[in-house]
Amino acid sequence: GQNIDQPTEMTATEGAIVQINCTYQTSGFNGLFWYQQHAGEAPTFLSYNVLDGLEEKGRFSSFLSRSKGYSYLLLKELQMKDSASYLCAVMDSNYQLIWGAGTKLIIKP
Amino acid sequence: DVKVTQSSRYLVKRTGEKVFLECVQDMDHENMFWYRQDPGLGLRLIYFSYDVKMKEKGDIPEGYSVSREKKERFSLILESASTNQTSMYLCASSSLAGESNEQFFGPGTRLTVL
Repeated sequence: GQNIDQPTEMTATEGAIVQINCTYQTSGFNGLFWYQQHAGEAPTFLSYNVLDGLEEKGRFSSFLSRSKGYSYLLLKELQMKDSASYLCAVMDSNYQLIWGAGTKLIIKP
Repeated sequence: DVKVTQSSRYLVKRTGEKVFLECVQDMDHENMFWYRQDPGLGLRLIYFSYDVKMKEKGDIPEGYSVSREKKERFSLILESASTNQTSMYLCASSSLAGESNEQFFGPGTRLTVL
């Protein structure tokens, strides 16, 4: 079967750095997505990785290792507004998105 | 900016009622999707469409149907609502062009079936 695993919840301190991991087992691979979802709102796109390596976009970076079936989202200089759920999703061989359950990130002052 | 709108943010219906959830996107996207989101579970795909009048079943189509008569509009229909269909429903759209085919989401409809 297809499976995406990510931690259910993480806590971090304002101004710090946090890494949210995602491991996947899917039938085929056509890219990995990270989305941010604030409580009661729609998911919004953060990043896309299809090749191995690190993609940096401001305070957020996303890393991919296809051979390990592994990705992480790195958030630097955390702000209170970063409190949200972070969703990992993999596009499989049929170009369908397989979603993880999301990681709820709690930022403390 | 891509805009995806959904007809209602909150909806309360009774068991057995027919429910229509409407979704409209304004960016001429070919692909449209309906998901449901429940606590502790990832987004689950109900139905999707790659073109007008075309529909494909997702992972959990039972109890649902869809309609896509126009490119910008994708409707989700619950023929006879049941309490286990209480959920957050998210519509999304994406383009065939572009590098990543990222999906853009509407604000969601929180449906409660009593």
